[in-house]
Amino acid sequence: DGGITQSPKYLFRKEGQNVTLSCEQNLNHDAMYWYRQDPGQGLRLIYYSQIVNDFQKGDIAEGYSVSREKKESFPLTVTSAQKNPTAFYLCASSIPDRVLGYTFGSGTRLTVV
Amino acid sequence: DAKTTQPPSMDCAEGRAANLPCNHSTISGNEYVYWYRQIHSQGPQYIIHGLKNNETNEMASLIITEDRKSSTLILPHATLRDTAVYYCIVRVRSSNTGKLIFGQGTTLQVKP
Repeated sequence: DGGITQSPKYLFRKEGQNVTLSCEQNLNHDAMYWYRQDPGQGLRLIYYSQIVNDFQKGDIAEGYSVSREKKESFPLTVTSAQKNPTAFYLCASSIPDRVLGYTFGSGTRLTVV
Repeated sequence: DAKTTQPPSMDCAEGRAANLPCNHSTISGNEYVYWYRQIHSQGPQYIIHGLKNNETNEMASLIITEDRKSSTLILPHATLRDTAVYYCIVRVRSSNTGKLIFGQGTTLQVKP
C-alpha cells in the first residue's frame, strides 16, 4: 500500500544534540512538507519541497534543516539551535493541483531532555 | 489563504449527526474549503472538500452557504471513533506552497 512512513514514532535526545527525523513516501508525490505541532495547537509549517534538490523555508524554519536528494525522502534535522525542539513532527506529501490534498504520516514525537 | 474560525469544542451523542461549523468570511472566489481531522497522536486525515456546491462522500457531507462565507461539516451518524480534532481550511486548489493553515480546529467528543 502507498503511504508515508515516519520513523521512529518516539524519539528522545539530550539537549544540545542534533537529531534527524525520517520521512519516506512511495506515493510518487512531487511535494513534501514538514510540520510541527505543539500541545493543543494547530500545525505550523517548517520546510517544504516542491521538487528534488529544492526546498523552501516555512513559517518556523529557524533551528531546522532539510534535504531532498531523492523524490521519496525528505529528512528533517532538528539542530541544537532550535530552542524548543520538544514537539510532535508531521511529514506530508502532495501532488500539485490534486483535489485530495495532502497525505500525512503518522508523526514522530520528539522529546529533548 | 483565507483564515477560518471554528468553535474550540463540541459534544455529540453516539449515533446522532454531528454538525461542525466553520466561518471563512474572507474566502476568495478561487479558494476551496477543505476539512481534515486528526485523531490523537496521529497525522491529519483528509475528509472532504468543496468550492460552491454541497458535497457528500462516504465519510461526511459538506454544506457551503450561498455566499461561501461559512460551511458545515456533517457526520451523519457519529461513532466513538469520530472523536477527533476537526480542521476547516480554505486554500487555492492549485497552491503548492504547503501553507495549509490549520488553526486550532474543533475538538469533537462523541459520547456514548
